[in-house]
Amino acid sequence: GQSLEQPSEVTAVEGAIVQINCTYQTSGFYGLSWYQQHDGGAPTFLSYNGLDGLEETGRFSSFLSRSDSYGYLLLQELQMKDSASYFCAVPGSARQLTFGSGTQLTVLP
Amino acid sequence: DAGVIQSPRHEVTEMGQEVTLRCKPISGHNSLFWYRQTMMRGLELLIYFNNNVPIDDSGMPEDRFSAKMPNASFSTLKIQPSEPRDSAVYFCASSLTSGGSGEQYFGPGTRLTVT
Repeated sequence: GQSLEQPSEVTAVEGAIVQINCTYQTSGFYGLSWYQQHDGGAPTFLSYNGLDGLEETGRFSSFLSRSDSYGYLLLQELQMKDSASYFCAVPGSARQLTFGSGTQLTVLP
Repeated sequence: DAGVIQSPRHEVTEMGQEVTLRCKPISGHNSLFWYRQTMMRGLELLIYFNNNVPIDDSGMPEDRFSAKMPNASFSTLKIQPSEPRDSAVYFCASSLTSGGSGEQYFGPGTRLTVT
């Protein structure tokens, strides 16, 4: 089976940097994905790491260490609109996703 | 592209009634997924299809739940009979199976309330 652990809540101020960690246990590994979900909205794709290392997309970066079964999402220059839930997820062989429980990020002015 | 389309957006029904949720995936996508989201259980995969064929329905909670994909542009999730514990947001998502990140595109969801 698959299991993922991430913090339930993180709070930071506008302009700051925040890191959301994710550790996973999987029976087969195809990569680590991150999704963002605003209240009342649908999950939207942020990033994917298939290989070890850092992937950067604008203010967001994601990191993976397969040897440590660990990854993180890094959000820089935080904005109020970044307040949302962030989910790490591992895809299966058919790209079906198993999600972590989500981290609620609150950005304070 | 209009994205993944789900209907209805909201459904309120009484216990024991049949509920049918509908999904139109993004044109050209060959994988379709049904997820359910609740506060208690988070986002959980119910069933997924590849090229209209159900691949794994082990996430379907019980026999009251069934899903079909009669063609590449339409899928349904049916609950019969519905129970209050089925109250949740149901998401449909689609993706291309091969290559890349396997990014999934989620529909807006159907918020189901069973009283």
